[in-house]
Amino acid sequence: NAGVTQTPKFRVLKTGQSMTLLCAQDMNHEYMYWYRQDPGMGLRLIHYSVGEGTTAKGEVPDGYNVSRLKKQNFLLGLESAAPSQTSVYFCASSTDGNSPLHFGNGTRLTVT
Amino acid sequence: DQQVKQNSPSLSVQEGRISILNCDYTNSMFDYFLWYKKYPAEGPTFLISISSIKDKNEDGRFTVFLNKSAKHLSLHIVPSQPGDSAVYFCAASDRIQGAQKLVFGQGTRLTINP
Repeated sequence: NAGVTQTPKFRVLKTGQSMTLLCAQDMNHEYMYWYRQDPGMGLRLIHYSVGEGTTAKGEVPDGYNVSRLKKQNFLLGLESAAPSQTSVYFCASSTDGNSPLHFGNGTRLTVT
Repeated sequence: DQQVKQNSPSLSVQEGRISILNCDYTNSMFDYFLWYKKYPAEGPTFLISISSIKDKNEDGRFTVFLNKSAKHLSLHIVPSQPGDSAVYFCAASDRIQGAQKLVFGQGTRLTINP
């Protein structure tokens, strides 16, 4: 039982490049989330999904897009990376909107 | 506007003693509070939670206290063990709106000294 798996673990991008972060969960959770963590700040919600085929904006959605084509996967895309998107990205999932979140181990992204 | 604040970036405690981590919030709509623990290079893991209808919740060595009038919660760990060394995040939400409104504090790094 892997829980929440994020790939890749590390990535370096040049400004303007694009990439997709993958998140997969094997717990049959309905809800999935993407957070970013920056030094001195708490985790901030980028986008979330309450079920297959649905997505919604969180607190800091600008510059990101997401897709939830399958229940177990939640993809985070950066179309044109900027240095301000240098961060650690965490994916999480939960049974419903009021259950504790299960987090992946994060993706460390550096944009130069 | 930081709705959830952990004003101590770090805390150092002797093994066997009590660790007390504090968290303040400003939004009176918050009615569900959680603590997460994070080790380096790992994601946060859920530790303990409390609903606003309670003022205390206990789980083994971990107890969370909620003071609604002061908009303050604290996590007590007793006795503290070396494996408790980690970053602790408090989080708060409005259960009507659900986890999409979960707000995290900045975290407190706890170091347990042998």
